[in-house]
Amino acid sequence: AQTVTQSQPEMSVQEAETVTLSCTYDTSESDYYLFWYKQPPSRQMILVIRQEAYKQQNATENRFSVNFQKAAKSFSLKISDSQLGDAAMYFCAYRTLYSGGGADGLTFGKGTHLIIQP
Amino acid sequence: GAGVSQSPSNKVTEKGKDVELRCDPISGHTALYWYRQSLGQGLEFLIYFQGNSAPDKSGLPSDRFSAERTGGSVSTLTIQRTQQEDSAVYLCASSPRTSGRRFGTDTQYFGPGTRLTVL
Repeated sequence: AQTVTQSQPEMSVQEAETVTLSCTYDTSESDYYLFWYKQPPSRQMILVIRQEAYKQQNATENRFSVNFQKAAKSFSLKISDSQLGDAAMYFCAYRTLYSGGGADGLTFGKGTHLIIQP
Repeated sequence: GAGVSQSPSNKVTEKGKDVELRCDPISGHTALYWYRQSLGQGLEFLIYFQGNSAPDKSGLPSDRFSAERTGGSVSTLTIQRTQQEDSAVYLCASSPRTSGRRFGTDTQYFGPGTRLTVL
């Protein structure tokens, strides 16, 4: 079974600064997907960014980018020019490519609470 | 169009009672997922429906939990004889995944969840 570890329960950053959230995972598969989701106090999970393991290029979405190190099984999220609206819980998630046997859902880390200081 | 909706938003029940939680996926989405989010266990996958196929129930924590999906759309998660450890936020997600063994890059869109409190 796959596991996802987020070692930072909480991170704090000044508005307009850059912050990096860490994520490591364990899998025996060679191809899979990785995600970062954001959960504000409204509880609704919002996809921030997605990475396909077979792609070497790191995914980027506006101020959000990832550092995907496949050999190290590391998938960190960098948020540039932090804004007050970025304050939320951030979850790293893994999903296998193939269906069945309990593999259909996302496997989540425990989350990192990001605080933005004005 | 509308996103994934869930009802009720909050539910308080007494230990031993049955509860039903409802999920309305995004129109046209064939895949539907239920997750549980609790302080102790984090986010756990519970069950997955794909179209009219038999669901993948491998994540359900006990036989007190069941789910159905009528007409390939609305889903209901039922918890029988609730226990205090069932207290959690129950999240539903849907995706436009088409049938087939390989997932592709479909994204799961989440609803706002139902907060269940068992007294």
